Parts: sequence; structure tokens; C-alpha cells
Amino acid sequence: DQQVKQNSPSLSVQEGRISILNCDYTNSMFDYFLWYKKYPAEGPTFLISISSIKDKNEDGRFTVFLNKSAKHLSLHIVPSQPGDSAVYFCAASDQGAQKLVFGQGTRLTINP
Amino acid sequence: DTAVSQTPKYLVTQMGNDKSIKCEQNLGHDTMYWYKQDSKKFLKIMFSYNNKELIINETVPNRFSPKSPDKAHLNLHINSLELGDSAVYFCASSLRTGGLGANVLTFGAGSRLTVL
Repeated sequence: DQQVKQNSPSLSVQEGRISILNCDYTNSMFDYFLWYKKYPAEGPTFLISISSIKDKNEDGRFTVFLNKSAKHLSLHIVPSQPGDSAVYFCAASDQGAQKLVFGQGTRLTINP
Repeated sequence: DTAVSQTPKYLVTQMGNDKSIKCEQNLGHDTMYWYKQDSKKFLKIMFSYNNKELIINETVPNRFSPKSPDKAHLNLHINSLELGDSAVYFCASSLRTGGLGANVLTFGAGSRLTVL
């Protein structure tokens, strides 16, 4: 039973355009959501997060949107750059569970 | 200077063997984790330790035994390896267990285990 799902295994975007990565979750107890970025042969690195009390968090080119009623979050990257090509993992936590639950990742490719 | 380092990076072994993966963090974090990335690419938690104490054991077979000699080290020993154990194993650490400090994990580069 996968509580966090990223239904798009891959996404290809032109450099300079917007990249939108999506994530759905099923556990209504989740109250904190994160995005991690992973390059080949490296571990995931933290990118941006959002608490369930907010619906948007912005950090430079990266914005995360949370729609609690739909149990959906998305990561927007504007403008997309070649260095953004990586696998992006969505993750969620319920503070009481003391662990992160990850999705299966979306491979983003930015084309020059 | 690598924050979370794990060795070996690659491990190829025969079914039935016993192997270990070592992990060390120099961030001064209290909590360490083992995650497994399976063939479907999900990252799933296996264990977490807080200051050498086991916090989470996520229904992992008894063949997997974590050992934390101190809060900077968390090793993973696997007995009687099976084909299904083939995966990438990631070590990670966080500032603390629970609360916001638990969510930002620093990962190692991963150890790819192949069981033949």
C-alpha cells in the first residue's frame, strides 16, 4: 500500500519553460511534505518543504503547492535549467510516525 | 568532507552469503536511518536509530540486523542473502527524531547490492 505516489515516471521540458511535478498521497494524517532531488550515483538531497498549515511555499525558482482536500502537491520549477535534470522524490511525514514516506520519483529531463 | 558516507558503494555476492554495509555521519545528528530503494524505485524506510537506540523497525526480515556502536555510525548486516535483497541501500541522518528536525534527511550516496 503506497501512501505517496508520483504517477509520472518521467517528464521532459524545454529549457526556460516551467516544470510541474505532481504527487498524490492517501494518508490524511500526513502534515509535512518535502521534495528531494537526486542525481545519478548520489543520494537524494533536500530541496523544499511545506507544512500542512500552508498551501504554498516558494524558494527561488522552486515553489511547492499543497491541496489538502485533493491530497495533492506539486513542485513548480521556473525557469527550468539543464542542471535541474534529475529524479525528484516527493515525501511526506506524520510527526507521530517519525519517518518519511517517499514516492517512487519522477525523472525530469530539461532539454536545451 | 562527506557528511554521510557509506561503504561499499557496490557489492556483488552469492545467495546465502552474509554481508555488511557501513555508514558514518559527521554532522553531529542524533538520528540515523537505513532506506531501501527497490526495483520499483520507492525509497522505503527499514530502520531508524536515535542516539544508538532503535526507534523504527519497519517489518524487515530478521536476516537484516542494524548495529549502532555510537550515534555517528549505523551499520547494516545481512545474513543469508536472497535474490530479492538486491537493491540500493541508502543511509541517512537527521538532526533529531520527530518534529521538523526529523524531516530533513541527509543521505549517503547509496550502496548497490547485487545478489546472484
